[in-house]
Amino acid sequence: QLQLQESGPGLVKPSETLSLTCTVSGGSISSSSYYWGWIRQPPGKGLEWIGSIYYSGSTYYNPSLKSRVTISVDTSKNQFSLKLSSVTAADTAVYYCARDAQKHHWFDPWGQGTLVTVSS
Amino acid sequence: SYELTQPLSVSVALGQTARITCGGNNIGSKNVHWYQQKPGQAPVLVIYRDSNRPSGIPERFSGSNSGNTATLTISRAQAGDEADYYCQVWDSSTGFGGGTKLTVL
Repeated sequence: QLQLQESGPGLVKPSETLSLTCTVSGGSISSSSYYWGWIRQPPGKGLEWIGSIYYSGSTYYNPSLKSRVTISVDTSKNQFSLKLSSVTAADTAVYYCARDAQKHHWFDPWGQGTLVTVSS
Repeated sequence: SYELTQPLSVSVALGQTARITCGGNNIGSKNVHWYQQKPGQAPVLVIYRDSNRPSGIPERFSGSNSGNTATLTISRAQAGDEADYYCQVWDSSTGFGGGTKLTVL
């Protein structure tokens, strides 16, 4: 059964870079049928897609975040990572990683999520 | 970006049918996916490509999509169906609806 697990600091200072890693187990990140994505959810609010990556390194990002986002993949570790630069309090959210179905782009399954708070 | 509109809340009596809508310009021409999210948990895919159920999702969950409205239908609603529900569409970028809180009375 495919599982995803987010990891990284739970507290980031304003203006710094948020960095998270998603570890995939129970399947290969190098599957040709899927992308791998990041989605976030501010406390008490809805879902916002951040971006997704293919095992080859091809990426696509939410235009509203594109200037600050970098997603990378490490197939040898079966992991992909998120970097979000110049964070503010508005970036405080639960960050989820999920498998992104190629072509129609639904997300399944999801990791349990990790709360990242931006505060000094 | 493509906008998706959901009602903030929907209520349904126990055992009755709940319908949650997702509005968008000509959404019927797009593929709509639906997620269920219970408090403190990650979202779970319940419908993909308008009307397909992933394995493990009860047949009580169904979906349709036509014109400017996609609909998630939950038949014989149970207390365990209380959750937030989100629609999602791919339109050169991925967008989510604002979410609908389903209350089972």
